[in-house]
Amino acid sequence: AQRVTQPEKLLSVFKGAPVELKCNYSYSGSPELFWYVQYSRQRLQLLLRHISRESIKGFTADLNKGETSFHLKKPFAQEEDSAMYYCALSGRASGSARQLTFGSGTQLTVLP
Amino acid sequence: GAGVSQSPRYKVAKRGQDVALRCDPISGHVSLFWYQQALGQGPEFLTYFQNEAQLDKSGLPSDRFFAERPEGSVSTLKIQRTQQEDSAVYLCASSLEVGRNSPLHFGNGTRLTVT
Repeated sequence: AQRVTQPEKLLSVFKGAPVELKCNYSYSGSPELFWYVQYSRQRLQLLLRHISRESIKGFTADLNKGETSFHLKKPFAQEEDSAMYYCALSGRASGSARQLTFGSGTQLTVLP
Repeated sequence: GAGVSQSPRYKVAKRGQDVALRCDPISGHVSLFWYQQALGQGPEFLTYFQNEAQLDKSGLPSDRFFAERPEGSVSTLKIQRTQQEDSAVYLCASSLEVGRNSPLHFGNGTRLTVT
């Protein structure tokens, strides 16, 4: 079975403070991990994926296979980062594609 | 089009009614997924199409749920004899390719409320 756990439903930080959104997963194979973000009144969209090892909007995430984690980090939070963040795992096959399994999400609020 | 389009945005149905939810994916996208998102939860997989072929329907919660994509473009998710537990946001997503890292493009969803 594959599972994604986001332990914090709500997270508030002050502008300029570091932020870390936690994500843990369970999957028996080699996972691909993603972070999706949903800003207020907008659609769900891809933020970053671990295979690209990229930094998007100042966010980074490192896959730690030993700890089965894929935490999302940003050193200095901005008010426009306030949104719902979902961690997702691509694992189980659907034909030649892969299903995404999502965590339950963390609502980040960056306070002025 | 500019993105994945879903209609209607909101649907209220009385228990027992049938509903049909439409998804227009981005033109040329091969893969199409349907997800169900209950309040306070992340999206949960329902079914997957590669072009017109429904390759995985393992996430459909019951035989009241049916999805089709007859010409490999527009898709319809139909729910028969709706129940209160069917109340959720139904998300459609498409991707250009089939590969596991091909990013998904989501629609705005249809919020279904069953009264």
